[in-house]
Amino acid sequence: GQQLNQSPQSMFIQEGEDVSMNCTSSSIFNTWLWYKQDPGEGPVLLIALYKAGELTSNGRLTAQFGITRKDSFLNISASIPSDVGIYFCAGLVIQGAQKLVFGQGTRLTINP
Amino acid sequence: SQTIHQWPATLVQPVGSPLSLECTVEGTSNPNLYWYRQAAGRGLQLLFYSVGIGQISSEVPQNLSASRPQDRQFILSSKKLLLSDSGFYLCAWSVLTSRGYTFGSGTRLTVV
Repeated sequence: GQQLNQSPQSMFIQEGEDVSMNCTSSSIFNTWLWYKQDPGEGPVLLIALYKAGELTSNGRLTAQFGITRKDSFLNISASIPSDVGIYFCAGLVIQGAQKLVFGQGTRLTINP
Repeated sequence: SQTIHQWPATLVQPVGSPLSLECTVEGTSNPNLYWYRQAAGRGLQLLFYSVGIGQISSEVPQNLSASRPQDRQFILSSKKLLLSDSGFYLCAWSVLTSRGYTFGSGTRLTVV
């Protein structure tokens, strides 16, 4: 099946630093989404991308849909303690029913 | 507004015991419903999805089953739990999958 390769798996940064993570795939996706999961909670949608080349911001978060439709990145500027969590990329698959394929996640830890 | 309820939040069950996790959605009709499992706080594995009452698709062979007795109710079950069934179980719904899923708050299952 289709898989998303998300990197890095973990990040340890200082508060105030910028963060960058990305997802790549061997398959084309028409929709990319980025989620954040706080400890013990379900993932929450951060940003959705629908067009190749699209660049979308949500506060300090910026995500882009790669031109090839096979990749996407998420940047977080000026990190703060509440940014801690696991970030997941997801691509939309249409095989019978529509489903999302998730990356393995990037665990972000911030040192104050 | 739409809400998703998932319970219980935590569950400790002995090996060989049955399981029933329930998920209900409010404020929407004909949602697509999903059960995911997350092991070790990382990747999300799709277990089952449903596009309508009584329609269940299984993604991976396993010791679990799912049912959708009502439009907005999705149940995850097992007749006899295994140690390997431990994990964090997440229910999710979508009406238009390209807009992403909305996840419940999850059930932490520990099989002892």
